[in-house]
Amino acid sequence: AQSVTQPDIHITVSEGASLELRCNYSYGATPYLFWYVQSPGQGLQLLLKYFSGDTLVQGIKGFEAEFKRSQSSFNLRKPSVHWSDAAEYFCAVARPTGNTPLVFGKGTRLSVIA
Amino acid sequence: NAGVTQTPKFRVLKTGQSMTLLCAQDMNHEYMYWYRQDPGMGLRLIHYSVGEGTTAKGEVPDGYNVSRLKKQNFLLGLESAAPSQTSVYFCASYAAGWSYEQYFGPGTRLTVT
Repeated sequence: AQSVTQPDIHITVSEGASLELRCNYSYGATPYLFWYVQSPGQGLQLLLKYFSGDTLVQGIKGFEAEFKRSQSSFNLRKPSVHWSDAAEYFCAVARPTGNTPLVFGKGTRLSVIA
Repeated sequence: NAGVTQTPKFRVLKTGQSMTLLCAQDMNHEYMYWYRQDPGMGLRLIHYSVGEGTTAKGEVPDGYNVSRLKKQNFLLGLESAAPSQTSVYFCASYAAGWSYEQYFGPGTRLTVT
């Protein structure tokens, strides 16, 4: 069965600092990989996704993620965090057979301080 | 184009009461999902549907039932609510194909006392 681990429950960064959120997955083959963001009181919004090809993917709001097969990781990064990035971030995976439900990690809450 | 909407936004139930949560999407998506979100647990799949008239169990289906009588609607029912079902419920939909982007509703916050 697939599983997703987000090791950091809560991260605090200063505005303007760089950010990296970790995600590790467990699956026999390379799954489809996703990062979602949830602002307080809101639903989830897709930031970016990886299916195949270039292992560095660009998303919305200045985020990027890098797939590393050898480490079974899909870490999310942003070079300079803005106060509006404070939210909860979820990594998710799906089997590459397509059209299968997503499996979510437990999330990382990001706080941004001045 | 409203996307995915959920009704109601908030609800308080007493133990043993029943209710139905409605999810509606206007994007003609085939796939629809019900998740529950609890602190520190992420999103867990309750039930899902791959098309009108079909439903399937997810990770945590016990205590819930679903129906997909119309393509645009996916109903989640609680027949006899329990305090353990206190949660935030999210509906999502997605169009089969290459995009694989799930669109989420704003959520329903349910409290069972």
